[in-house]
Amino acid sequence: KAGVTQTPRYLIKTRGQQVTLSCSPISGHRSVSWYQQTPGQGLQFLFEYFSETQRNKGNFPGRFSGRQFSNSRSEMNVSTLELGDSALYLCASSFGLASDTQYFGPGTRLTVL
Amino acid sequence: GENVEQHPSTLSVQEGDSAVIKCTYSDSASNYFPWYKQELGKGPQLIIDIRSNVGEKKDQRIAVTLNKTAKHFSLHITETQPEDSAVYFCAASSGSARQLTFGSGTQLTVLP
Repeated sequence: KAGVTQTPRYLIKTRGQQVTLSCSPISGHRSVSWYQQTPGQGLQFLFEYFSETQRNKGNFPGRFSGRQFSNSRSEMNVSTLELGDSALYLCASSFGLASDTQYFGPGTRLTVL
Repeated sequence: GENVEQHPSTLSVQEGDSAVIKCTYSDSASNYFPWYKQELGKGPQLIIDIRSNVGEKKDQRIAVTLNKTAKHFSLHITETQPEDSAVYFCAASSGSARQLTFGSGTQLTVLP
């Protein structure tokens, strides 16, 4: 079974731009969570989607948003990029709300110049 | 909210020795505790997990123990090998808040 895939793997943007990252969960998984990983703050939860609905949200500004499609694929968007948004953005999928086990993708490395 | 502390931040062991990484959590409602291994340039890989109704779980050279009273859990790796070198993260979540709260990570180096 294929794992979680994320595209693109690397991205370079400049301050003020916006970016969209994509995540395809493991086949059959319906829940997708997003995390931000930085050297200073570690791994931090952004949001979770299940059945196209945001179920939970972390403590991030409104510039960070996401959505989930009917095929469970998810996208996250960051608007008005800041230098501090440079990070590895990780997507994790799980079977459903009743399942805690989350499997991570390889991440998208975003660099903001 | 939940807070997870992880120690040590770095750990070096000789090949064949054991490695132990410890984590404490703050939310008594937390009931799921996974451990992830992250290699350079890759996403975190789940290596073992434990739920609050179990005190210990083993999978070959890896074991995890949980002490609910003290709110701490530990990862034990026996007979370490150079390929075990990576950053290890502990995490916790509760049934009501499914997001994982991660520890700060342990850089494990296994010296040949």
